[in-house]
Amino acid sequence: AQSVSQHNHHVILSEAASLELGCNYSYGGTVNLFWYVQYPGQHLQLLLKYFSGDPLVKGIKGFEAEFIKSKFSFNLRKPSVQWSDTAEYFCAVNAGSGGSNYKLTFGKGTLLTVNP
Amino acid sequence: DSGVTQTPKHLITATGQRVTLRCSPRSGDLSVYWYQQSLDQGLQFLIQYYNGEERAKGNILERFSAQQFPDLHSELNLSSLELGDSALYFCASSVGGEQFFGPGTRLTVL
Repeated sequence: AQSVSQHNHHVILSEAASLELGCNYSYGGTVNLFWYVQYPGQHLQLLLKYFSGDPLVKGIKGFEAEFIKSKFSFNLRKPSVQWSDTAEYFCAVNAGSGGSNYKLTFGKGTLLTVNP
Repeated sequence: DSGVTQTPKHLITATGQRVTLRCSPRSGDLSVYWYQQSLDQGLQFLIQYYNGEERAKGNILERFSAQQFPDLHSELNLSSLELGDSALYFCASSVGGEQFFGPGTRLTVL
């Protein structure tokens, strides 16, 4: 069974600080990896995804993530956060060759608070 | 806007009642997934339908059921509701490995 661990429950930063959120997954086969963001009271929005190829992926709003296969990790980074980045961030994984079944397994989420 | 729609946006009901949540996938997407988001359990996969047929089951209670209709919209039925069923219920539709989420239905059981 797949599982996803997010190391930080709550991260508090000041504007312009750099961000790195950890994510590790457990799965024996090929995976697709995702980071979603959920702003207060809103639905999940895709930040970025990794299916294959370059392990450094760039997403929206200046976020990027690096897939390190040997460490089963997919950490999210942003060089300089803004107050508007305050949200909850979820790492998720599904089987890379799921056929017609691509159910997502989510981490518990990391709440990011950015102080102005 | 992901193109996935869910109704209603909010639902308040009493314990023991039954409710139906509706989801319309993006045009052309054959798969619909249902997820539950609660404070204690986080985001959990409930069930998936693909072109009208159940394809995968997750942590879905026996009191819950779902179906997907010929026009591909899906309904999640929750019965004998308990206080602990209060949560945000999302549906998502997919093409390949990427899923697009709807705005969710917030269910409050009093």
